[in-house]
Amino acid sequence: DVKVTQSSRYLVKRTGEKVFLECVQDMDHENMFWYRQDPGLGLRLIYFSYDVKMKEKGDIPEGYSVSREKKERFSLILESASTNQTSMYLCASSFAASGTDTQYFGPGTRLTVL
Amino acid sequence: GNSVTQMEGPVTLSEEAFLTINCTYTATGYPSLFWYVQYPGEGLQLLLKATKADDKGSNKGFEATYRKETTSFHLEKGSVQVSDSAVYFCALTLMNSGYSTLTFGKGTMLLVSP
Repeated sequence: DVKVTQSSRYLVKRTGEKVFLECVQDMDHENMFWYRQDPGLGLRLIYFSYDVKMKEKGDIPEGYSVSREKKERFSLILESASTNQTSMYLCASSFAASGTDTQYFGPGTRLTVL
Repeated sequence: GNSVTQMEGPVTLSEEAFLTINCTYTATGYPSLFWYVQYPGEGLQLLLKATKADDKGSNKGFEATYRKETTSFHLEKGSVQVSDSAVYFCALTLMNSGYSTLTFGKGTMLLVSP
């Protein structure tokens, strides 16, 4: 089975802190994604990566950056956390760039910024 | 742009009732269509998918048919169980410059009572 793990289930940070959310997949997938999930808004794509050291902006990249130094690991970085970044963050991965390919999701990190 | 519209929830049903969750889409191109499910406290997992018109995706008693003429992909189940209580997301994906990303609806919560 594909496994996507996220470093924390719950995280509480202060405004202005630098926050790292880590995601690891164990199936040698090419593509990795970061979403945020908010009530009434569904899932929105923040960034994705289709190869090591490659990244593309999604729909809401402002206030975020990403890093992919190794194929299995994709990090989301909040340079200076703000209260409007309080949300559930979901990581996903998929094998290929095919339009029919399934994305596999991690359990999510619920981030609260105080 | 691409978008997915699904009925607002929560949908509240008694066990063994018939379920329909409506989903319509707008896409510039020929998308693949997905239903993902999120059980409480977990990440999303693929429920079913369809990649071309008139295809029927099915899994765990759920079905959805890709209707190009009505741009719809409604989710149905003949007899729901308490264990089906979850949030259901309709999504589409399109190839774009060699990679594809998912566009999600806002999600529909299903609550099934015994």
